[in-house]
Amino acid sequence: AQRVTQPEKLLSVFKGAPVELKCNYSYSGSPELFWYVQYSRQRLQLLLRHISRESIKGFTADLNKGETSFHLKKPFAQEEDSAMYYCAPLPFGNEKLTFGTGTRLTIIP
Amino acid sequence: NAGVTQTPKFQVLKTGQSMTLQCAQDMNHEYMSWYRQDPGMGLRLIHYSVGAGITDQGEVPNGYNVSRSTTEDFPLRLLSAAPSQTSVYFCASSRGLAGVEETQYFGPGTRLLVL
Repeated sequence: AQRVTQPEKLLSVFKGAPVELKCNYSYSGSPELFWYVQYSRQRLQLLLRHISRESIKGFTADLNKGETSFHLKKPFAQEEDSAMYYCAPLPFGNEKLTFGTGTRLTIIP
Repeated sequence: NAGVTQTPKFQVLKTGQSMTLQCAQDMNHEYMSWYRQDPGMGLRLIHYSVGAGITDQGEVPNGYNVSRSTTEDFPLRLLSAAPSQTSVYFCASSRGLAGVEETQYFGPGTRLLVL
């Protein structure tokens, strides 16, 4: 079955330390991939798309087709990065889109 | 628990037709929302509800109506379908206003094609 996995439900990182939120997918072909973020008491919002190759708020994510991963990274964590992060591949064709279960990131001051 | 369920899974409409996308959750969540996801644009919020009888607009509400007569159900109505509404629609729910403290649970999605 096609699926996306975020193995860490909770992740705590000290301020200034590097952050990596893991996302693995099992889809055939090359899905378009997104990371979404939800800050406290705010709505879900798009953080970045792998196609655009942008760096949003210092975050980047590289698609590794060999490992079928799309990990979200930031070299130096900031307190305002505390949020819920969802990985979401968008497959081609008629395959069902599945969101990851989310990782709750807490930045320790 | 079934979690968040959506029906139908796939629908084809002609321009001008109306239809209702169903969403239900059995987790007694107060907060429910509808998103659409378009290629290259990510999720966009259509409407949301913070409890039975209370709804509000999101980022792209035009062309859609919602109601929340019960805690469990949050249907999305397309009044007069347009090709621009071709998209994948997701319903989501959470115990409270989603954020760091609350996980948002998503339905499997409804893929809509408007011809």
